[in-house]
Amino acid sequence: RKEVEQDPGPFNVPEGATVAFNCTYSNSASQSFFWYRQDCRKEPKLLMSVYSSGNEDGRFTAQLNRASQYISLLIRDSKLSDSATYLCVVNTNAGKSTFGDGTTLTVKP
Amino acid sequence: DTEVTQTPKHLVMGMTNKKSLKCEQHMGHRAMYWYKQKAKKPPELMFVYSYEKLSINESVPSRFSPECPNSSLLNLHLHALQPEDSALYLCASSQVPGTAYPYGYTFGSGTRLTVV
Repeated sequence: RKEVEQDPGPFNVPEGATVAFNCTYSNSASQSFFWYRQDCRKEPKLLMSVYSSGNEDGRFTAQLNRASQYISLLIRDSKLSDSATYLCVVNTNAGKSTFGDGTTLTVKP
Repeated sequence: DTEVTQTPKHLVMGMTNKKSLKCEQHMGHRAMYWYKQKAKKPPELMFVYSYEKLSINESVPSRFSPECPNSSLLNLHLHALQPEDSALYLCASSQVPGTAYPYGYTFGSGTRLTVV
């Protein structure tokens, strides 16, 4: 079993749609959690840190469920510019990070 | 300055060459990382430097040799690579080692390496 598993995708949605991605992790000692986006042939860029209390940044909402060991990302009112690969990242306290395989989102007009 | 700068952006090297990748950050981050990314795959952690000391080596072959001359610089020395080592090599930094909350990692734009 992979340490971090993501919805395989791809997700193809129309503009304005709401889309949700999930990510599960196996290491219960994991300490910190993030969502990154990566555009084609570019480096990953931090989208959001994810906290147990849940956090929101504009159209993006991230949730962490430690009991069930999953994190989620909700995108509301999708824009064409949201098209990218979304990577969940899980860190242990030792500084080791594990990336999920990524979920590709394509938003169509 | 909120960037991680990597040079060169592209590198083609033969299997007998020796080359180095360079990474620089001036954000005062005390943890720096090397990742390898193949096409359509997520980044894979190679090395972690914490306060200029190597803290994690993910069983990387010795033909990859990291070096951290100071808190702002990170090098990756390459020698006798194989064609399967062709990939995007990403450098990243974070404020402190460990959890990286809440700012996560800042990645450089990477060096696209081709081994011929």
